[in-house]
Amino acid sequence: QVQLVQSGAEVKKPGASVKVSCKASGYTFTGYYMHWVRQAPGQGLEWMGWINPNSGGTNYAQKFQGRVTMTRDTSISTAYMELSRLRSDDTAVYYCARAGRYYDSSGYYQPDHYFDYWGQGTLVTVSS
Amino acid sequence: QLVLTQSPSASASLGASVKLTCTLSSGHSSYAIAWHQQQPEKGPRYLMKLNSDGSHSKGDGIPDRFSGSSSGAERYLTISSLQSEDEADYYCQTWGTGGVFGGGTKLTVL
Repeated sequence: QVQLVQSGAEVKKPGASVKVSCKASGYTFTGYYMHWVRQAPGQGLEWMGWINPNSGGTNYAQKFQGRVTMTRDTSISTAYMELSRLRSDDTAVYYCARAGRYYDSSGYYQPDHYFDYWGQGTLVTVSS
Repeated sequence: QLVLTQSPSASASLGASVKLTCTLSSGHSSYAIAWHQQQPEKGPRYLMKLNSDGSHSKGDGIPDRFSGSSSGAERYLTISSLQSEDEADYYCQTWGTGGVFGGGTKLTVL
């Protein structure tokens, strides 16, 4: 069965960086895009970006451009999200989420960017 | 601009049915969406992908009590035979130039 298991909670000081991991199992890691979504306390969900585990290509939400880096290690089926220059309003639970895919008319798989599996979440607290 | 609008709250009685609505912004009525459930203190769980024609594909293990339908720019999630564990936040999600989420509907089961 598909599982996404994330790293544990982190406490960071303002200005520091945090790196969250997401280990995938139960499917071919390189076959599905991985997205990152965050949720501030008591708030809704906010999309941050995606990584294509096959190519390493990324696409980040404009809000996080220059501060977020998404990487992967295919040898251990793990995706990473690093956020730098942390501020107090970055305090949130960070989720990885796998995107589904569909067959296009040429017979190739394409990502459809609807999240069909989620990690359990990683709480990142930014506090001085 | 692609926006998803949801009512902040809804309520229904145990054993009854409830229909939640997600409305796509003008010009985006052909877009598919996904519904996600977030129970208290838990991460989101994928319920289904819902197309503009009302066809939908549910996630693994999602009960038949959950169904989806569409009308114009509106996407619906209907939950029948409400159970206490259905009390949760429900988010719709779509894709434009990036991921877009609705603000979520908090469902209370009375």
